[in-house]
Amino acid sequence: AQRVTQPEKLLSVFKGAPVELKCNYSYSGSPELFWYVQYSRQRLQLLLRHISRESIKGFTADLNKGETSFHLKKPFAQEEDSAMYYCAQRTSGSRLTFGEGTQLTVNP
Amino acid sequence: NAGVTQTPKFRILKIGQSMTLQCAQDMNHNYMYWYRQDPGMGLKLIYYSVGAGITDKGEVPNGYNVSRSTTEDFPLRLELAAPSQTSVYFCASSPSHNEQFFGPGTRLTVL
Repeated sequence: AQRVTQPEKLLSVFKGAPVELKCNYSYSGSPELFWYVQYSRQRLQLLLRHISRESIKGFTADLNKGETSFHLKKPFAQEEDSAMYYCAQRTSGSRLTFGEGTQLTVNP
Repeated sequence: NAGVTQTPKFRILKIGQSMTLQCAQDMNHNYMYWYRQDPGMGLKLIYYSVGAGITDKGEVPNGYNVSRSTTEDFPLRLELAAPSQTSVYFCASSPSHNEQFFGPGTRLTVL
């Protein structure tokens, strides 16, 4: 079965510091990967997808097939980035497999 | 557009009771999904549907049933509720294989 692993349940950084949320996947083919985010009292929503190669809210994520990783990075964290972040991989058809999530706290 | 709506927001059930979690979307999406999220865990897919009249099991379907009689609605039925079904339930929809749009969730406690 395909698995998505987020090794850190909790991550705390100070405002202005770089942040990296780790994600590793198990699929050996051509994966489709996503980062979803859930801000406090809001719905889970798509942050970015690897196929778009986009930067959203200053976040980027690079697919590294050699390391089977899709880490989410931001050079300067902001307090409003505090949220729960989920890495997800598209499995068969339209299904997604989610990681366990990382709760990011950005301290002032 | 209301997007994906879920009712109720909260519910407490006694062991052995049944209930239906409602999910509706007004975006004319073909694909709909039900997930459960346990504390400290990721989302686990319960059931999904690729269109009206078509449903299929996800990762954790035991104890649940679904139906999809219309494009808009995708109710999740719990028969004989058990404490192990205490969780937060999320419904989602998507127009294709990419972005999924989530509802606000239903917090269910089985005592």
